[in-house]
This record gives sequence, C-alpha cells and structure tokens, in this order.
Amino acid sequence: DQQVKQNSPSLSVQEGRISILNCDYTNSMFDYFLWYKKYPAEGPTFLISISSIKDKNEDGRFTVFLNKSAKHLSLHIVPSQPGDSAVYFCAASGKNQGAQKLVFGQGTRLTINP
Amino acid sequence: EAGVAQSPRYKIIEKRQSVAFWCNPISGHATLYWYQQILGQGPKLLIQFQNNGVVDDSQLPKDRFSAERLKGVDSTLKIQPAKLEDSAVYLCASSPMGVEQFFGPGTRLTVL
Repeated sequence: DQQVKQNSPSLSVQEGRISILNCDYTNSMFDYFLWYKKYPAEGPTFLISISSIKDKNEDGRFTVFLNKSAKHLSLHIVPSQPGDSAVYFCAASGKNQGAQKLVFGQGTRLTINP
Repeated sequence: EAGVAQSPRYKIIEKRQSVAFWCNPISGHATLYWYQQILGQGPKLLIQFQNNGVVDDSQLPKDRFSAERLKGVDSTLKIQPAKLEDSAVYLCASSPMGVEQFFGPGTRLTVL
C-alpha cells in the first residue's frame, strides 16, 4: 500500500524554464508535506514544506502547491538551474505516538539541460 | 552545527554474513530514524527512536535486523544474517521533535 506516489520517475527541463514535480497521496490524515532533494552519494536534504492548512508556500525559486481535495501536491522551480539536477522526494508527515513520521514517494530524477 | 554522521560509508559482504552500521545524530535531537532505501525507491522507515525508546519498529524485519540507541544518543543498526535483498542504502536521520528530519550521508550496503 503506497500512500505517497510520484508517478514520474524522471523529468528533463531546459535551463531557465519551469520545472514541475508532482506527488499524490492517499491518507487524508497527513498534516504536513515536505520536499527533499538528493544528490548522488549524499543523504536527502530538506527543501521546502507546507502545512495541510495552507495551499501554497513559497521560498525563493521554489513553490509548493497543495490541493487537499485532489490529494495532490506539486513543486515548482522557477527558473530552473543546472544545480537543480537531482532526485526529488515528496514526503508526507503524520503523528506517530507523539513524534512525526515521514512516508516518502519513489522520487523523480530532475535533469536540467543547458 | 555538525550534521548527522554515519559509518561506514560503504560495505560489501557476502550473504549470511553480519554487518553493523553506526549513526551519530545532531546534538540535542531527541528523535532518531533508520531508513532503508532500495535503488529506484524512496526511503522506507525501519525504526524510530524517541530518546532511547522505540516508537515504531513495525517495518523492521526483526528476525534478522536489530537496532539500539545507547543513552539516547548514538545508534547502531545490525543485520544478521544478511540476504541479497538487503542490498540498499541505509540512512540515519534525526529530528528535534519537529517535522523536518536531517539525514546523514548513508551507508551503501552490497550483499553478494
């Protein structure tokens, strides 16, 4: 039972254009959503998050949109830069005996072409 | 601030051998997690500690995997005996009780 899904294993975008990464979830009890970025041979690093009570959060070139009725979120990167090439993981958070527990999607490999 | 430390970074063993991984979380972080990431998949939670108590180990294959967190700080994850399907990156993460988790670089395990 995969509660968080990223249906696109890879995405290729031209430098300077918009990158849009998508994520779907099934559990309506999730209260927080996060995006992590992962470079090869490194651990995932936190990028941006959004609470379930909001529908948009922006941080510089990164914006996350949440559509609770559709159980869908997306990450927009504008403009895309070569350093954005990495694997992006969507994660959903829910309370687990007082501590937060993350459920991750499969990841989308983003390649930014010069 | 120092990040999450893990060792070793790489390990190659033969099936049925034993292996142990070590994690030192960020100082002051109460919650520690171990994840297994198989190639092409997202990280999957194996075990979650709150201080030195286990919060969730529902996805830990307890017949071969074990983990402990000594004095609520460092943690070790052990596999005994290893199987081919245990080949993966093992990630340790810590959190100060918020939502965001901070990950270490991981240990890449290859079981031959």
